Amino acid sequence: DTAVSQTPKYLVTQMGNDKSIKCEQNLGHDTMYWYKQDSKKFLKIMFSYNNKELIINETVPNRFSPKSPDKAHLNLHINSLELGDSAVYFCASSFQQGIVGYTFGSGTRLTVV
Amino acid sequence: KQEVTQIPAALSVPEGENLVLNCSFTDSAIYNLQWFRQDPGKGLTSLLLIQSSQREQTSGRLNASLDKSSGRSTLYIAASQPGDSATYLCAAPMGTGNQFYFGTGTSLTVIP
Repeated sequence: DTAVSQTPKYLVTQMGNDKSIKCEQNLGHDTMYWYKQDSKKFLKIMFSYNNKELIINETVPNRFSPKSPDKAHLNLHINSLELGDSAVYFCASSFQQGIVGYTFGSGTRLTVV
Repeated sequence: KQEVTQIPAALSVPEGENLVLNCSFTDSAIYNLQWFRQDPGKGLTSLLLIQSSQREQTSGRLNASLDKSSGRSTLYIAASQPGDSATYLCAAPMGTGNQFYFGTGTSLTVIP
């Protein structure tokens, strides 16, 4: 029943490791996003995909690479993890230009030690 | 670039009070404006969505207004309850969509 689901919910890993976060939506939306919420609770967009095509790529280190195998999935791969990558990452989806709003996943809390 | 600001950053009120949360944005070319609620350690729950052509939306005890010309939106919560305690975020996509700017949030505590 979950509209936008992310896995894992929690991720603790050591510096230098490579990890992935998965996101799936069953709403039939055509656009998916990744957001990063920092320690000050501010949400900032990282990537946006529309029908598997990259639309937005904000100033994000190239260690972060999104992959969209189909329009219902948008995964986030992070290479060579750094302490500063610790944050909560949210996946979201919408129709086209967010005409009827956006739906968010419950977030993945990443802790790099 | 769009900047979205929320005032106050934190608010504490006794149960039963009516309250107003404020959201201001610098670029009025927004597609719509959405209010979210975030509980500690949880995801975002959509509360209300106001299209750019609308002035307000209501859901239960919540009423959100939008004034594009002045770059402001307010979220009115009537008869506040302890269960309303959470962080409230406003967010506005730009005219071309796909770029969704979040406010800094207002942390609300309703005291029983």
